[in-house]
Amino acid sequence: KQEVTQIPAALSVPEGENLVLNCSFTDSAIYNLQWFRQDPGKGLTSLLLIQSSQREQTSGRLNASLDKSSGRSTLYIAASQPGDSATYLCAVKGQGGSEKLVFGKGTKLTVNP
Amino acid sequence: GAGVSQTPSNKVTEKGKYVELRCDPISGHTALYWYRQSLGQGPEFLIYFQGTGAADDSGLPNDRFFAVRPEGSVSTLKIQRTERGDSAVYLCASSFGGRGEQFFGPGTRLTVL
Repeated sequence: KQEVTQIPAALSVPEGENLVLNCSFTDSAIYNLQWFRQDPGKGLTSLLLIQSSQREQTSGRLNASLDKSSGRSTLYIAASQPGDSATYLCAVKGQGGSEKLVFGKGTKLTVNP
Repeated sequence: GAGVSQTPSNKVTEKGKYVELRCDPISGHTALYWYRQSLGQGPEFLIYFQGTGAADDSGLPNDRFFAVRPEGSVSTLKIQRTERGDSAVYLCASSFGGRGEQFFGPGTRLTVL
């Protein structure tokens, strides 16, 4: 059974700092991995999707990497801003025919002005 | 274009009552997913539709939960004899095909008193 873990559970940084959020998964047979952002009381916004054959994806100040063999992904946020404050969720989709996403519990990020 | 929409945004009901939650996916998306998110947790998969049929309902917790998608577009999640433990945010997502990137709606917050 796939399990996804995100460390740390919460992170507080000053504005302008670069930061890394971590995601690990137990079964390396994944089809893709998605990073989401969730603001309080809101749904999920897709940030980046990495296919299993890819090593990284970039969008603006965000860069996500994937090391499938070691079961790890990182989300790098450059020059953080208070507007980046949210919960960041990592989710994986398996290769085995089920199309469901398996989520971690998320990392709650606070960027202080 | 319009994203995934869900109604109602909030639903308060009494224990034992029946509720229906509606999801309107992105136009043209053939795959539709329901997830449930409890406080402080990541979303957990409930059911996945490809077209009109439920391709994977392995996440439904028990037979009080049922979902339909009769015309391959709008879906309704139905919960019978609600229990306090059913209180959560119910999220709907859609994708273009089962392997595509999933886009989420804002969720329905269900509270069972």
